Amino acid sequence: GAGVSQSPSNKVTEKGKDVELRCDPISGHTALYWYRQRLGQGLEFLIYFQGNSAPDKSGLPSDRFSAERTGESVSTLTIQRTQQEDSAVYLCASSKRGGGAVGQLFFGEGSRLTVL
Amino acid sequence: GQNIDQPTEMTATEGAIVQINCTYQTSGFNGLFWYQQHAGEAPTFLSYNVLDGLEEKGRFSSFLSRSKGYSYLLLKELQMKDSASYLCAVLDSNYQLIWGAGTKLIIKP
Repeated sequence: GAGVSQSPSNKVTEKGKDVELRCDPISGHTALYWYRQRLGQGLEFLIYFQGNSAPDKSGLPSDRFSAERTGESVSTLTIQRTQQEDSAVYLCASSKRGGGAVGQLFFGEGSRLTVL
Repeated sequence: GQNIDQPTEMTATEGAIVQINCTYQTSGFNGLFWYQQHAGEAPTFLSYNVLDGLEEKGRFSSFLSRSKGYSYLLLKELQMKDSASYLCAVLDSNYQLIWGAGTKLIIKP
C-alpha cells in the first residue's frame, strides 16, 4: 500500500487476555519499528527490525511482549496476559535502508489498546 | 547515557514566530530529525539536518550546530493548525533513533 497500515485501529480487551497487533510497512522499506505512546507522553521504543539482521529487542518492557517480522514484510506485536498498564497507542513505523534515510520514519495511524 | 532535551510546552501567538530548541548528548551522530505530531495522530517527518547550518522549508526552518549538540526548529507566520507536539530525534552511531519527549506548542489567536 501507499502508507504504513496497522490493525486493529482500536482494541478493547480484558486484563489477562492476549492481543496481537499487526503492521504492514511501506513496500521496499527494510527497517521497521514498534513504539508505545501513553496518553500525553513521548514515544517509547519497543523493538527494531532491519532487513534480515537480528532484531533489537532492547525496548521490550517484559517477557509478555514479543514481536516477529517475516523478511521485509508484515510484523506482529504480541502482548500476552495484558495488564492495565499496557493501555496505550502502539505505533509502527518503517524507513528505507541507507544513511540518514533510516531516520526518516513513516508512521502508521497506530493501534489504540485499552485493557479493562 | 544518551539524552535529548527540549522544552515541555511553549505558547505563541497566531502570526508570530516561535523557536523550539533541542540539545542532545548521544553516542555519535548521523543526523537530527524533527517530527510534528497533532493530538491523536501519528508523528510526521518535518526536517533532517546532518551538516551544520540552516535548512529552510517554507514556513519551517531547522538549524544544527554539531559542535554544540544543539538544534532548533523555527516556525514563522504561525497558524492555528501548527498547534501540535514537536519531537526532536537523533540518529546515533549505531543508526538508532534517540527521541526527545516532545514540545507541546500551543497557538493562541
